[in-house]
Amino acid sequence: DQQVKQNSPSLSVQEGRISILNCDYTNSMFDYFLWYKKYPAEGPTFLISISSIKDKNEDGRFTVFLNKSAKHLSLHIVPSQPGDSAVYFCAARSFGNEKLTFGTGTRLTIIP
Amino acid sequence: DTGVSQDPRHKITKRGQNVTFRCDPISEHNRLYWYRQTLGQGPEFLTYFQNEAQLEKSRLLSDRFSAERPKGSFSTLEIQRTEQGDSAMYLCASSLLTRDLNGYTFGSGTRLTVV
Repeated sequence: DQQVKQNSPSLSVQEGRISILNCDYTNSMFDYFLWYKKYPAEGPTFLISISSIKDKNEDGRFTVFLNKSAKHLSLHIVPSQPGDSAVYFCAARSFGNEKLTFGTGTRLTIIP
Repeated sequence: DTGVSQDPRHKITKRGQNVTFRCDPISEHNRLYWYRQTLGQGPEFLTYFQNEAQLEKSRLLSDRFSAERPKGSFSTLEIQRTEQGDSAMYLCASSLLTRDLNGYTFGSGTRLTVV
C-alpha cells in the first residue's frame, strides 16, 4: 500500500525555468510533510517541510504547497539551476509517529 | 559536527552469511533511525531508538534482523543468514527533538549486495 505517491519518475527542465514536483498521499492522518533531495552515493538531505496547518512554505528558491482536500503537495523550484539535478523524495508523517513514509522519488534533470 | 557516519559504505556478502553495519549519529542527537532503500523505491522505515531504547520496529524487520544501540550513542544493525532480497541501501539517520522541523539528518548509507 503506497501511502505516498510520486507519479512522475523523472522530469527535465531548462535551466532558469520553474521545476514543479508533485506528490499525492492517501493517509488522512499525515500532518507533516517534507521534501528531501538525494545525490548519487549520498543520503537524502532535508530540503523543506510544511505542517498541515499551512498551505504554503517558502525558503529561498524552494516553495512547497499543500492542498489538504486533494491530499496533494508540490515543490516548486524557481529558478532551476544545474545543481538542482537530483532525486527528490516526498515524505510524510502523522502526529505522534516518528516514522517517515517516503514516496518513490522523482529524478529531476536541469538542462543547461 | 561530522554528520551521521555509516560503516562500511559497501558490503558484498554471500547468501547465508551474517553482516553487521554500524551507525554513528550526530553526537547530541538522542533519536536514531534505520531505513532501507531498494532500487526504484523510497527509503522504508525499519526501526528507531530514543537513547538506548528501541521504541518501534517495522514488520519489515524480520527475525533475521536485529538492531542495538547499547549506550545510546552508536547503533548496529545485524542481518543473519542473508538472502538476496536483503540487497539494498541501509540508511541511518538521527535527530534531536521529536518532530524536528528540519527532519532527520541521514548518513550516506551502507550498500549491501548479497550474491
